[in-house]
Order: sequence, then structure tokens, then C-alpha cells
Amino acid sequence: NAGVTQTPKFQVLKTGQSMTLQCAQDMNHNSMYWYRQDPGMGLRLIYYSASEGTTDKGEVPNGYNVSRLNKREFSLRLESAAPSQTSVYFCASRTGVSGRALSGELFFGEGSRLTVL
Amino acid sequence: AQSVTQPDIHITVSEGASLELRCNYSYGATPYLFWYVQSPGQGLQLLLKYFSGDTLVQGIKGFEAEFKRSQSSFNLRKPSVHWSDAAEYFCAASGGSYIPTFGRGTSLIVHP
Repeated sequence: NAGVTQTPKFQVLKTGQSMTLQCAQDMNHNSMYWYRQDPGMGLRLIYYSASEGTTDKGEVPNGYNVSRLNKREFSLRLESAAPSQTSVYFCASRTGVSGRALSGELFFGEGSRLTVL
Repeated sequence: AQSVTQPDIHITVSEGASLELRCNYSYGATPYLFWYVQSPGQGLQLLLKYFSGDTLVQGIKGFEAEFKRSQSSFNLRKPSVHWSDAAEYFCAASGGSYIPTFGRGTSLIVHP
């Protein structure tokens, strides 16, 4: 059972470079999320996709873009990386975003550690 | 605004001692509540969740949590801590909006 798979696991960028973090889930979940984790800040939501074909901003969307490629895949793009984007990024998914699905747990990938110099 | 608060940034306990991690929430109605654990270098794993019924819920690895509506709390407990329990613990809530809200986490340190 792969669950939620993120690539790459580690990346070092220079300021101004671009990159895309990939995320795929094999659980047939409708909703997918991108979080960043910084010391003392917990997890902050960057973007989410409630269902295939939709995306919405979370708490800290500036400097990021996302694409929900299909039901399985949800990518996060940094167009011009900045040192403030140095963080650990987590992709997560769950069944849905309304009604009974709100009681469902989030399933997380193992994270992508990004350093911007 | 909806929020989840974990008052303790770090908790240090001796192996074999009991543990309680605190979590308070602020929501318009009772949300669905979760506790996750994150081992170093790993993603988050669900320990337990509450959405209705019995206010004392059992989870994996010997953890339990008690929902107290009057105190807007959902504290995590374990009777006897093992060294392998050293990790980061996150309380989370979901309901009312599409966005699950996380606390800032509590780092558990276990002394031998």
C-alpha cells in the first residue's frame, strides 16, 4: 500500500529558481492538501483541492501555485523560490470535504524537505 | 475564528511515567477532533479521533483521549510512556469548513 507518495524527498534550490513538488495518492480520495511545516508553527495549509478540477487557497498561498492534474495527483509549484520558503512540505489526502467525510482522517506523505539558499 | 491550541511546546517525562498532552479548540459547534503523531523524519499518523458518542476514545499504541465539551478540550493521555513514544504530537479539528486546523504541536521527550 503506497498511500500518499511525494517526490522529491529532498531538494536544494537557489533563490529565484523554480521547482515542482509532486504528490500522488492511490486511495481514491477526493480531497488533497498541501501543508508546510516550520518549527514552532505546526502545519499551515498552503492550498487544497476539494475535488478533481477545483483548487483553493489556504492560510499561506503566496509564492505557490498548484495543479490538480487528475484525481490521483496534486502538484505544488514554486515559480521563484525565496529563502522564506525553506520548509518541510507535506501532501495529504482524505475522502472528502463535506458531511460525513469531515470525520475522516488525513493521510500524509512522508514530506519533502526544501532548502532555498 | 476556528482554532486549535496546544499550550505546551515541550513535555518531558520519564519512561514509565504517565502522560497528558493538552488540546483546546475554539469552534462554533463541536468539531471532529483528532490526534496525530509525527516521528522524526516521517509524516503524520493518526492516533485517534472523536466525532460523537463516548467521550473517552481509545487509539493505537495505548493512547486515549477524553473530550470535554464544557472545557472545549480534547486531551491525550497514556498511562505509561515508552521511549519509543518520543515524537511530535498534533491535535487537529475538522468541521464547519473544508480546512482541517492543526495546533502547533507538542514535542514529547522521554528520559530513560
